[in-house]
Amino acid sequence: DAGITQSPRYKITETGRQVTLMCHQTWSHSYMFWYRQDLGHGLRLIYYSAAADITDKGEVPDGYVVSRSKTENFPLTLESATRSQTSVYFCASSDSPLSGYGYTFGSGTRLTVV
Amino acid sequence: DQQVKQNSPSLSVQEGRISILNCDYTNSMFDYFLWYKKYPAEGPTFLISISSIKDKNEDGRFTVFLNKSAKHLSLHIVPSQPGDSAVYFCAAMYSGGGADGLTFGKGTHLIIQP
Repeated sequence: DAGITQSPRYKITETGRQVTLMCHQTWSHSYMFWYRQDLGHGLRLIYYSAAADITDKGEVPDGYVVSRSKTENFPLTLESATRSQTSVYFCASSDSPLSGYGYTFGSGTRLTVV
Repeated sequence: DQQVKQNSPSLSVQEGRISILNCDYTNSMFDYFLWYKKYPAEGPTFLISISSIKDKNEDGRFTVFLNKSAKHLSLHIVPSQPGDSAVYFCAAMYSGGGADGLTFGKGTHLIIQP
């Protein structure tokens, strides 16, 4: 299917475990982003990527790792999950993020760390 | 320091009336402003945007107004419909900055009452 898909939709993990959230887009957009949404904070940027093998930190990168070996995939890894990383995670993509046309978001992954 | 502020966490409006969602920003470098709409269990979807060279942009029932001197923008929905019930995020960016430049507000939950 065309679009941007995230998996899994829901995930429960234990503190200290490593967990990877997947993001796949079919448009060949150059830019991809990871955001987390928390009550009282809105959407905050974790990491972004301008192209394959190019990644940069956003506002809240600590505790997260990303990679982008292929244009269409942008996985987000929590190396050692903490309760503070319980959140809803959104992946987004864009062909021209500075054009004012916005990003396209996936449906999100709700992650609970117990 | 919150650069994009949505001071109303929620707003209740009767069906058929006008909904007005407000957003304030502090960074005078911002030159594009966007509104996203988000339903529960879905990702945000781009709704409408405005460039700083304009003071108004319309798209059907949705109009965004920009007051640069007051660093204020608003989204008007006329007439409001039940399907408009959602969380609305205001976002701002500086087109001359980096790709990480899209800054979101905390969102306003709009509830359309029948």
